[in-house]
Amino acid sequence: AQKVTQAQTEISVVEKEDVTLDCVYETRDTTYYLFWYKQPPSGELVFLIRRNSFDEQNEISGRYSWNFQKSTSSFNFTITASQVVDSAVYFCALSAEVNNDMRFGAGTRLTVKP
Amino acid sequence: EAQVTQNPRYLITVTGKKLTVTCSQNMNHEYMSWYRQDPGLGLRQIYYSMNVEVTDKGDVPEGYKVSRKEKRNFPLILESPSPNQTSLYFCASSFHRVYGYTFGSGTRLTVV
Repeated sequence: AQKVTQAQTEISVVEKEDVTLDCVYETRDTTYYLFWYKQPPSGELVFLIRRNSFDEQNEISGRYSWNFQKSTSSFNFTITASQVVDSAVYFCALSAEVNNDMRFGAGTRLTVKP
Repeated sequence: EAQVTQNPRYLITVTGKKLTVTCSQNMNHEYMSWYRQDPGLGLRQIYYSMNVEVTDKGDVPEGYKVSRKEKRNFPLILESPSPNQTSLYFCASSFHRVYGYTFGSGTRLTVV
């Protein structure tokens, strides 16, 4: 069975602070894909990143970076120098090759205060 | 513009009155899926479809039906809605599920 755990329900930071959102996953499949989505207050779901299980390289995109560690089954997301516009609910998700279900975590609500 | 279109955006209905939420995508995607979002539970998959006439249950299919007669459309049907189906619903599509889904804007359904 597949499972995604986002243990942080809510995080509040002050603008310009760095913040890391944790994601821990479980799967028996050797080929799988991990995702992060952002849901701003307007409600839409925005795709941020996809990572496959064979690529453990960390990724950086502007102020966003992702740390994928198979040894700890984690795919954490860091926002550097957070901004008010980063306030949103962030979802981590897992999809495996042999299983057609894409499973989401419960989400982490990030509030960035000015 | 490439998009997934859901209608309606908001719907209030009464228990037992059949309803359909429509979903259409213009990207020629093969994969389509329905999710419901509830506080503290994240998004849970209701049904998904890998192609025309191919559908399968997700985590929470009870009380829902779907059909995929054309590639672009994937309606969600609630034959006899109940208050526990009050939720925010998202339709999504993808060229292949492993590439990540593109989501519609959501449908907020209230069943009273």
